[in-house]
Amino acid sequence: GDSVTQMEGPVTLSEEAFLTINCTYTATGYPSLFWYVQYPGEGLQLLLKATKADDKGSNKGFEATYRKETTSFHLEKGSVQVSDSAVYFCALVSSGSARQLTFGSGTQLTVLP
Amino acid sequence: DAGVIQSPRHEVTEMGQEVTLRCKPISGHDYLFWYRQTMMRGLELLIYFNNNVPIDDSGMPEDRFSAKMPNASFSTLKIQPSEPRDSAVYFCASSTQTANYGYTFGSGTRLTVV
Repeated sequence: GDSVTQMEGPVTLSEEAFLTINCTYTATGYPSLFWYVQYPGEGLQLLLKATKADDKGSNKGFEATYRKETTSFHLEKGSVQVSDSAVYFCALVSSGSARQLTFGSGTQLTVLP
Repeated sequence: DAGVIQSPRHEVTEMGQEVTLRCKPISGHDYLFWYRQTMMRGLELLIYFNNNVPIDDSGMPEDRFSAKMPNASFSTLKIQPSEPRDSAVYFCASSTQTANYGYTFGSGTRLTVV
C-alpha cells in the first residue's frame, strides 16, 4: 500500500537558518504530493503541492520538488523565521485512488530567535 | 467561503456520556473525512464519505464510534459511551473529485473525557 516516510523530529533551528525536511514515499502509479503545516492549536493547512514528476511546489518561501527517480519530496526553505515553528506533514494521493490522503508522521520544527 | 466548520471547538465530558461532533464541509466538496489526532498515534483516518455515502470506516476504533452524513452540508461523529482514551483532537476535512486538489481541514474539536 501507499506510505510516506518523514524525517524524524523534532528539528530545532536558529532564525535565518536553512531548512530541509526529508520525505520519501511508496505508491502505485503517479501520486500527487503535498506538504501540510499545522500551527499550534490549529488544523492542517495546505502549504504546497506537486502533481507530476519534476514539478516544484512553492509557497511562503518553502519549496519542494517532485523527484520520481528517488521517490522524494523534500521540503526546503532558505531562511526560516520564528513564525515557521509548526508541525509539517508530507502526504500523497495515489492516482486513481478514492481521494484518500496518506500522511507521514509529521515533523516538529522549532525556530529560535 | 468560510472553510470547513467544526463545532464545538472544545468539549469536556464525563466518561460514559454521549458526545457528538459536528462538521460542515465546503460547499461543492463531495468527499468528507474524519480524522483523530493524538500524540501517541498521530493522524488517524476514521471514516470518509463520498456523496454522503460512507466509503471506508475501517479506521473507526470500535462500535462506540459512529458517523453520519445526512446531506451534503453536514456530518456528525458520535461517541457513545465515551471513555478517557477517546480524548484527542478530531478533525474534519473535505475535498473534491478534482484531481490533485488536496484537503481543506477544519480547526478541529479538542475532546477531553474525564
